[in-house]
Amino acid sequence: SQKIEQNSEALNIQEGKTATLTCNYTNYSPAYLQWYRQDPGRGPVFLLLIRENEKEKRKERLKVTFDTTLKQSLFHITASQPADSATYLCAPRGASGGSYIPTFGRGTSLIVHP
Amino acid sequence: GAVVSQHPSRVICKSGTSVKIECRSLDFQATTMFWYRQFPKQSLMLMATSNEGSKATYEQGVEKDKFLINHASLTLSTLTVTSAHPEDSSFYICSARHRVDRGGDTQYFGPGTRLTVL
Repeated sequence: SQKIEQNSEALNIQEGKTATLTCNYTNYSPAYLQWYRQDPGRGPVFLLLIRENEKEKRKERLKVTFDTTLKQSLFHITASQPADSATYLCAPRGASGGSYIPTFGRGTSLIVHP
Repeated sequence: GAVVSQHPSRVICKSGTSVKIECRSLDFQATTMFWYRQFPKQSLMLMATSNEGSKATYEQGVEKDKFLINHASLTLSTLTVTSAHPEDSSFYICSARHRVDRGGDTQYFGPGTRLTVL
């Protein structure tokens, strides 16, 4: 079955540094991959979508890469701020054949220290 | 962006009562909605997939008679926790699937409902 792996340990970084979060997946060939942000006690919020034919996607201070050979996506936040502290969820989607599996990785908690 | 509302945001009930949670897509039509539950510091656990006008598809281990899902319209899905017990206490989140463009679908989430069963 599909498996999504995200580092379960919290990532602690200093304000202004670049945060890099990793998502690995197995038993799946997604056509695209999404990243979400979840704050405590809230529902996840969609951030970015990257397609399998795109190597990199940027949105303001966010950058996502997608390596279908490694089955990995990296999520970067540059010039991080304390307000970026949250849990970030990875969601590979849209396997060939059209199946949509709405599962998520367990998420990585990011803590940005002032 | 697309907005999904969820009501109530918080509910406390006595053991044995039933609780209904509503999920609405406010500015788009959602043919598919999903229901998740989440325990503290745990991942989102998919409970069921709800398609408008048809029966919900439940994940393995989720009791369909206990968690009743109705998706009567393209903008509304409801989850009813029947005869709730303390172990049903959790954070319930709905999401609606929305086609952003030809490149893929996105799920827009409600703010969640904190259920506490005494």
